[in-house]
Amino acid sequence: SAVISQKPSRDICQRGTSLTIQCQVDSQVTMMFWYRQQPGQSLTLIATANQGSEATYESGFVIDKFPISRPNLTFSTLTVSNMSPEDSSIYLCSVGSHRDRSLNTEAFFGQGTRLTVV
Amino acid sequence: AQTVTQSQPEMSVQEAETVTLSCTYDTSESDYYLFWYKQPPSRQMILVIRQEAYKQQNATENRFSVNFQKAAKSFSLKISDSQLGDAAMYFCAYRRIQGAQKLVFGQGTRLTINP
Repeated sequence: SAVISQKPSRDICQRGTSLTIQCQVDSQVTMMFWYRQQPGQSLTLIATANQGSEATYESGFVIDKFPISRPNLTFSTLTVSNMSPEDSSIYLCSVGSHRDRSLNTEAFFGQGTRLTVV
Repeated sequence: AQTVTQSQPEMSVQEAETVTLSCTYDTSESDYYLFWYKQPPSRQMILVIRQEAYKQQNATENRFSVNFQKAAKSFSLKISDSQLGDAAMYFCAYRRIQGAQKLVFGQGTRLTINP
């Protein structure tokens, strides 16, 4: 299993500011994913972070609002830009279980970042 | 597009009893993975059990087992001998084997264990 360190674990931010969330994995992984979990809701995929190329965003999420970096196979960041109270959520980083895409079975998750925008 | 539905927002069970959480899904794929994840108040997503669609045998992990009905697109989780530590949100999730490997989650079921 992969060990994922996600920082910060929580933050309270002023509206209009930006927050960058970091995700560090203890092994090289091909695919990293960023999910959002709004209060009392399920998880929704924001984007897939691809090493060496642009992230792939899901419908309803745009790069200007959620820019993502993936400089290497063990690290990614998600920035929540120009925040509003509606961005208050838990943001989770996830990785596949194997570097070889064909051998991926389950996904592993970081401990999440609880963001509150005031 | 694939969808996952959990029709039970909340469930409760007495400690040591058995409880079943329901999940249905919709897909046109023939091969895929199904998962149950547990999310305690710590927010950590913990894999409970995994089922490969091409396997007819139901997956089991200690006190946790699934009833996988492929034709009916049903994937329920049975927790036997419930323990206080089982209290959490439980999410059913779907993932394709080929192509995009993102997880599609159901709405979740909050499980309460009564001592």
